[in-house]
Amino acid sequence: NAGVTQTPKFQVLKTGQSMTLQCAQDMNHEYMSWYRQDPGMGLRLIHYSVGAGITDQGEVPNGYNVSRSTTEDFPLRLLSAAPSQTSVYFCASSYSKGHLEQFFGPGTRLTVL
Amino acid sequence: GQQLNQSPQSMFIQEGEDVSMNCTSSSIFNTWLWYKQDPGEGPVLLIALYKAGELTSNGRLTAQFGITRKDSFLNISASIPSDVGIYFCAGQANDMRFGAGTRLTVKP
Repeated sequence: NAGVTQTPKFQVLKTGQSMTLQCAQDMNHEYMSWYRQDPGMGLRLIHYSVGAGITDQGEVPNGYNVSRSTTEDFPLRLLSAAPSQTSVYFCASSYSKGHLEQFFGPGTRLTVL
Repeated sequence: GQQLNQSPQSMFIQEGEDVSMNCTSSSIFNTWLWYKQDPGEGPVLLIALYKAGELTSNGRLTAQFGITRKDSFLNISASIPSDVGIYFCAGQANDMRFGAGTRLTVKP
C-alpha cells in the first residue's frame, strides 16, 4: 500500500493563479480531509469528506474548493491564489470520521508570490 | 474556543535525557492524541487516549489524559537522536484541534 500520496511536493504560484493539489489514498478509507500548517499554529482543517460525493467545510474553508468523485481521490483547488495561502498542505484519511487515527500524506509546500 | 496551548515550543536536550511536554485547553476534550512529524513528512500517530486519567505507553513514550479532560502530557524517556522532530497534541470534541507543536532537538 502506498498510503496517502500528495502531488506536487512543492509549488510556487503568482497571485491570482489557480491550481489543484492532488491527494489519493489506497486504503479504502471513507474519511478524507485537508489541513494547512502555518508556523506557530496547529494544523487547521480546510475541508473534509465522509465519502464519495459528500464534502463539508472545516475551520478555514475560504478560498478553497474540494470534490470527492471517488473514494480514492480528494483534490483541493485554489481558484485564485493569494499570498495568505502560502502554507504547507496536508491531506489525511481515516476509516471513518469517528475513527480518530488519521494517516497523513507527506505534504505540499505552496508559496504564493 | 477549542484552542490548544502546547508547551514548550522547543526543547534542546542531550541524548539520554527524559523529555516532557504538555497541552492544555480551556475546553473539555473526549480524546487526546499525540503525533510526531519528521522533517518533510506528515504527522504520524504515536498514542491515542480515550478516557480521563488514562495512562498509555508506546515503547519509551508515555502519555496521560488529564483528569479534568482539559490537558494531556507526553513523556519520552532516555531520548535518542531519532526522537528529533515536531510533536503535536490533538484534542477531539466536536471536531479535532491541534496544538502548535513542540520542536525537539536531541544532541548526541
